[in-house]
Amino acid sequence: ETGVTQSPTHLIKTRGQQVTLRCSSQSGHNTVSWYQQALGQGPQFIFQYYREEENGRGNFPPRFSGLQFPNYSSELNVNALELDDSALYLCAPSMGGSSDTQYFGPGTRLTVL
Amino acid sequence: GENVEQHPSTLSVQEGDSAVIKCTYSDSASNYFPWYKQELGKRPQLIIDIRSNVGEKKDQRIAVTLNKTAKHFSLHITETQPEDSAVYFCAAKKGGGADGLTFGKGTHLIIQP
Repeated sequence: ETGVTQSPTHLIKTRGQQVTLRCSSQSGHNTVSWYQQALGQGPQFIFQYYREEENGRGNFPPRFSGLQFPNYSSELNVNALELDDSALYLCAPSMGGSSDTQYFGPGTRLTVL
Repeated sequence: GENVEQHPSTLSVQEGDSAVIKCTYSDSASNYFPWYKQELGKRPQLIIDIRSNVGEKKDQRIAVTLNKTAKHFSLHITETQPEDSAVYFCAAKKGGGADGLTFGKGTHLIIQP
């Protein structure tokens, strides 16, 4: 999806640390979904934010949390990092609170050592 | 929750031949079925999708068929070319909800010259 940026591109952390990943999109994308893609697997839905509120969540523990800001940018925060958190993290901004069509941003590759 | 099974995990075809990837889903409430193509080191890209009120959809060399009674859907690629080599993911979702996409484990498609 053009107009979607994620930062940083790559990140290396150690077990137990905390990380914040960011996603920015063009104006009007009032919904954002986040996915985790482990190596060799399909993406897994983490949660969705609509108008700054979480309105859907997958099977992820509370140490995965998010924020969405009035300018439509968003953050994914992961506390107490574990080795299994190593993955590609993808955001998918969209319109409306229940958009089906998901276009992914370029992703952030997180490595936990 | 929804469960999506995808097969085969690896598919090797001669250039110019057709390729078929199959998926089954478990939740009869799912009514949106996209397919993604992911090249090495890149994000998954939406290539085609279908909704449950349609049995087949075609876009140039790719087509998707859906059998809602049997709860399975398939991706068909005709006249395969080297640039079709990638990992393909199917997914399912309850349309209009905030549940997120549930993905299959992916099929590595190899086009032999």
